[in-house]
Amino acid sequence: QKEVEQNSGPLSVPEGAIASLNCTYSDRVSQSFFWYRQYSGKSPELIMSIYSNGDKEDGRFTAQLNKASQYVSLLIRDSQPSDSATYLCAVNILNQAGTALIFGKGTTLSVSS
Amino acid sequence: EPEVTQTPSHQVTQMGQEVILRCVPISNHLYFYWYRQILGQKVEFLVSFYNNEISEKSEIFDDQFSVERPDGSNFTLKIRSTKLEDSAMYFCASSVSTDTQYFGPGTRLTVL
Repeated sequence: QKEVEQNSGPLSVPEGAIASLNCTYSDRVSQSFFWYRQYSGKSPELIMSIYSNGDKEDGRFTAQLNKASQYVSLLIRDSQPSDSATYLCAVNILNQAGTALIFGKGTTLSVSS
Repeated sequence: EPEVTQTPSHQVTQMGQEVILRCVPISNHLYFYWYRQILGQKVEFLVSFYNNEISEKSEIFDDQFSVERPDGSNFTLKIRSTKLEDSAMYFCASSVSTDTQYFGPGTRLTVL
């Protein structure tokens, strides 16, 4: 059974702080890794994708991947109240015919002003 | 910016009835997907569709579910005989390749 694990939180940080979100996955052949943001009652919105070991930065967001440890993280710098949402880690299980995203349960982030 | 659209936004049905959920994927995308999210739970993969056929499906996608691309723009999910436990948000997604997937706003299905 392929699993993606996340701490459900809530993770509470003050405005302007760094929020650190973590994710582990069970399938060593996973190819691609994604962070989605989901506001309550809304659909997942893509934030970042990462494919190779190391860091990838996009604005205030940095994704980190360590395939040996089967670990993905997302750092949000200068957190804003509008960043308050559930952050979903998703792993792409690629096979010959297509692909499926396996999601974690998500980490709820609360940024207080 | 192109986006995935879904209709209706909310569907209420009686147990045992058939429902069809509709999606219009992003126009140049080739891969299409359905996911569901039961309230308070994680997003779960149902099925992927490529080149007019199912390429992968999960254990959830049993014989009561079917998908179709009836024309060049729509992608539908049919649930033949709805059960109470089918109540969930259903998300359609699409991608250019077997990579980044973009999600539609979802259809909330309520089975009474």
